[in-house]
Amino acid sequence: EVQLVQSGAELKKPGESLKISCKGSGYSFTSYWIGWVRQMPGKGLEWMGFVYPGDSDTRYSPSFQGQVTISADKSISTAYLQWSSLQASDTAMYYCARLSATGSQSFDYWGQGTLVIVSS
Amino acid sequence: QSALTQPRSVSGSPGQSVTISCTGTSSDVGGYNYVSWYQHHPGKAPKLMIYDVSKRPSGVPDRFSGSKSANTASLTISGLQADDEADYYCCSYAGSYTWVFGGGTKLTVL
Repeated sequence: EVQLVQSGAELKKPGESLKISCKGSGYSFTSYWIGWVRQMPGKGLEWMGFVYPGDSDTRYSPSFQGQVTISADKSISTAYLQWSSLQASDTAMYYCARLSATGSQSFDYWGQGTLVIVSS
Repeated sequence: QSALTQPRSVSGSPGQSVTISCTGTSSDVGGYNYVSWYQHHPGKAPKLMIYDVSKRPSGVPDRFSGSKSANTASLTISGLQADDEADYYCCSYAGSYTWVFGGGTKLTVL
């Protein structure tokens, strides 16, 4: 069974750094792109970027380029989303999602989400 | 990149059909046959319901169907059931390894 299991909720202060994770299982982790999607409170989904764990190739949405860093450690089948200096506007639910390998350009499995709250 | 435009809410009674629209541009919805739809029950992981405009993943009931005309895609749910009540998001590939989502539509089953 394909599963993406994300790390738990985080409460951080502005200016702090953070790295959240998404562990894949039940499939060949190195063969699928893993993306990150943001959902701000009361808002829709926004695609942030993704990583190919096989060779760590990374692509970002122009809206998030330079704001976050996406990476992966294939040895432990885990993808990451990190911030070097959080802002209150980073408060959101973050989902990881696997890009289908069928060429459909759709996200066929999703993590349960990680809630990030940034507040002083 | 602007978000795709979806109605904020739609509603229907059990057994009825509803259609959710998703309007983009020729750079996303109109330019690629890569529109997908996701069902999101709050607190749960989003679920892929439709991909490549009109294809259903294994396990998704055929009550769910998708279509596209020019820059607008649509999701139709027939035979509405209580469990269909959720938020629905469309998504389109927009070229150059980028994707754009819609703002989401809240479906209420009356």
